[in-house]
Amino acid sequence: NAGVMQNPRHLVRRRGQEARLRCSPMKGHSHVYWYRQLPEEGLKFMVYLQKENIIDESGMPKERFSAEFPKEGPSILRIQQVVRGDSAAYFCASSYRPHYQETQYFGPGTRLLVL
Amino acid sequence: AQSVTQLGSHVSVSEGALVLLRCNYSSSVPPYLFWYVQYPNQGLQLLLKYTSAATLVKGINGFEAEFKKSETSFHLTKPSAHMSDAAEYFCAVTPRGGTSYGKLTFGQGTILTVHP
Repeated sequence: NAGVMQNPRHLVRRRGQEARLRCSPMKGHSHVYWYRQLPEEGLKFMVYLQKENIIDESGMPKERFSAEFPKEGPSILRIQQVVRGDSAAYFCASSYRPHYQETQYFGPGTRLLVL
Repeated sequence: AQSVTQLGSHVSVSEGALVLLRCNYSSSVPPYLFWYVQYPNQGLQLLLKYTSAATLVKGINGFEAEFKKSETSFHLTKPSAHMSDAAEYFCAVTPRGGTSYGKLTFGQGTILTVHP
């Protein structure tokens, strides 16, 4: 049973370019969370999605960031016109239910470096 | 709003010694609590979670944590450290009910170093 998969594992972008981060949840999971880990900081919630719906995006920066989880295919976190401050590790987690007791399973992360 | 504080960003112990990593939460209602471990360049792995059953929770790799409502704490312990325990540990909370949908609030993390 494959775990949560994220790709790419490492991504280098120049300022102003776009970054696309992909997350495939565990089999049978239809709830996806994205978290960001800035250098020297803990993880911060960004967005929670179900298939074809954004449920909670209270942690997403208002500009340049967007997320989707289509009916088919992985969840995508998109960052337009990246800046150096976007350099961070981005983690995706999935769960079977969106319940506070439910375990979230984390992927290995995508480490974004903006030059 | 709830928050999590991990006391000590770095903890160093000798192999075989007791491991104690501290976590305190701030919430009007006791939340659900989790401990995750992160090895270098990897994702987070769940060690254990408290969901209001027994207050002493046993997890993987010999770790356990005790929920103490009076102290608003959920400290992680292991009786005897092993070299393979060296990693970063995160305490996290999620509120009971409401519309949190299980999203986690994490502490700043504690890096555990184990010396031979």
